[in-house]
Amino acid sequence: DGGITQSPKYLFRKEGQNVTLSCEQNLNHDAMYWYRQDPGQGLRLIYYSQIVNDFQKGDIAEGYSVSREKKESFPLTVTSAQKNPTAFYLCASSIRPPAGYNEQFFGPGTRLTVL
Amino acid sequence: AQTVTQSQPEMSVQEAETVTLSCTYDTSESDYYLFWYKQPPSRQMILVIRQEAYKQQNATENRFSVNFQKAAKSFSLKISDSQLGDAAMYFCAYLYSGGGADGLTFGKGTHLIIQP
Repeated sequence: DGGITQSPKYLFRKEGQNVTLSCEQNLNHDAMYWYRQDPGQGLRLIYYSQIVNDFQKGDIAEGYSVSREKKESFPLTVTSAQKNPTAFYLCASSIRPPAGYNEQFFGPGTRLTVL
Repeated sequence: AQTVTQSQPEMSVQEAETVTLSCTYDTSESDYYLFWYKQPPSRQMILVIRQEAYKQQNATENRFSVNFQKAAKSFSLKISDSQLGDAAMYFCAYLYSGGGADGLTFGKGTHLIIQP
């Protein structure tokens, strides 16, 4: 089955520790995205990548880092510099047309709780 | 920068009735896409319907339809014959069409409750 996987579903970390969230897709999509969702908020873009070895900051990139070494994988690291890391994190992917419509397919999400 | 506003934090409707969710947006672009996403309790994001800004005709998908008013920058979602499975958070989203693979800009969502 083609799709996007995020693991684990629930993640707990102690304050001050870095943590890496996994996102893998087998849809052969070029573009991948990370969004953050807080209670009562919509999704906010953290980082996105249009091709391998390239990525851009979204609206709330501070305290986060990413890498894109493989087309299939776009891991997100939540660093200790992120002041409020507890949130629900969603990964998405899409084809990459020159312009126009590119439906984003979402993974099931990871709930990160920092204790 | 573009913004998306959903002014109804929560809406309630009787099963089989019709409900309309509101969305307004602000952008300086003329070519863009608008979307409605559904997020049920599982938290999986599901695309409900999309609208291309260059199209005057309103998009429809079975019981779901939109009222797109480009000049007013308004994009409402109408759900007809509401069903219990429609209960979810609904998010309005914007995408600039010239970006190729830019991220979506979301509103804060409307929690839709279906009364049996």
